[in-house]
Amino acid sequence: DGGITQSPKYLFRKEGQNVTLSCEQNLNHDAMYWYRQDPGQGLRLIYYSQIVNDFQKGDIAEGYSVSREKKESFPLTVTSAQKNPTAFYLCASTESSGGYNTGELFFGEGSRLTVL
Amino acid sequence: AQKITQTQPGMFVQEKEAVTLDCTYDTSDPSYGLFWYKQPSSGEMIFLIYQGSYDQQNATEGRYSLNFQKARKSANLVISASQLGDSAMYFCAMRELGYSTLTFGKGTMLLVSP
Repeated sequence: DGGITQSPKYLFRKEGQNVTLSCEQNLNHDAMYWYRQDPGQGLRLIYYSQIVNDFQKGDIAEGYSVSREKKESFPLTVTSAQKNPTAFYLCASTESSGGYNTGELFFGEGSRLTVL
Repeated sequence: AQKITQTQPGMFVQEKEAVTLDCTYDTSDPSYGLFWYKQPSSGEMIFLIYQGSYDQQNATEGRYSLNFQKARKSANLVISASQLGDSAMYFCAMRELGYSTLTFGKGTMLLVSP
């Protein structure tokens, strides 16, 4: 079955540690995204990538980093520079045509990060 | 300024009744798309319905319909015959032409009671 797999589902880390969240998709989508969700805040865009080896900052990129070495994979690293990393992180992908994204976003099941 | 506004933090509805979840948006772009997603307590985001700005008719998908009023810049989600399984967070989102990202509202929590 095609879809997006995020891992781990739950993650606990000590303050000051970097942590990497995995996102893999087998939908053959060009575009991939990372969103952060906090209670009462909706979804906020961290980073997105339209094509392999290229990515752009979203609205809240500070303290995060990404890579896009393969079409299927878009890992997110939450660095120690992120002031409030405890949140629910959602990865998504969508089809792209002629550089424009079309259709809805398909989401993974999310990763819940708690920093102690 | 917020691009997507959902003014109802929470809504209650009885089973089998219809409910409307409000969404207003702000854009100067004539071409855009509006999306509604459902997020159950498990956290996954489920796509419900899409409306394009040039679509002549309101979108419908089963029990979901979108009341699109372009002049008012509103795109309200109507759920008919509510079911207990409809209890979830609901998010409205918009993509403007030339942008590759979706902007989300803050969501509305819907609770369906027996």
